[in-house]
Amino acid sequence: QQQVKQSPQSLIVQKGGISIINCAYENTAFDYFPWYQQFPGKGPALLIAIRPDVSEKKEGRFTISFNKSAKQFSLHIMDSQPGDSATYFCAASISQGGSEKLVFGKGTKLTVNP
Amino acid sequence: IAGITQAPTSQILAAGRRMTLRCTQDMRHNAMYWYRQDLGLGLRLIHYSNTAGTTGKGEVPDGYSVSRANTDDFPLTLASAVPSQTSVYFCASRGYYNEQFFGPGTRLTVL
Repeated sequence: QQQVKQSPQSLIVQKGGISIINCAYENTAFDYFPWYQQFPGKGPALLIAIRPDVSEKKEGRFTISFNKSAKQFSLHIMDSQPGDSATYFCAASISQGGSEKLVFGKGTKLTVNP
Repeated sequence: IAGITQAPTSQILAAGRRMTLRCTQDMRHNAMYWYRQDLGLGLRLIHYSNTAGTTGKGEVPDGYSVSRANTDDFPLTLASAVPSQTSVYFCASRGYYNEQFFGPGTRLTVL
């Protein structure tokens, strides 16, 4: 119930294309859904996040779509660029015992070919 | 200092040795976390601290201990390192809107 399932494991997209990464969860107690971007040798960096009372959030070329009834959320990267090549992690936040914890998906390695 | 710093950047350690990974933040965040990252397994929570003076166990706490003497520092100690603790370790702190900020990581190899 604490898992966040992320797919695909890897993704290759041509420059200018749309990258789509999907995540699914079971626990309805999750209340915050961030996406992190990680470049090789670096720590994860917050990219965009959404709360379950919103169905979509857009920041520049990055959009989160959230389907509360299906317990799924996805990241769309429009006009993908080679500089977007990185590993992307979805996550879900839950309050337990007075603390907020993040549960991460296993990650998607995105390669954008020029 | 800006954000979260971790030290060392990388370390090779003999099995059985004791090792402390350091983490310092300058954002005055109350909550801090330690994760390990392994290929194909994503990020897994080791220990966390909601505020100075308190700590809690995460998903994979065995073999690790933490302390939180003040707001800024959150060291992670491996009392007797084993090869399965070879990993990349990330420290993070939680901001006011639940976002977590990560440090640059420590790459640890236990031989």
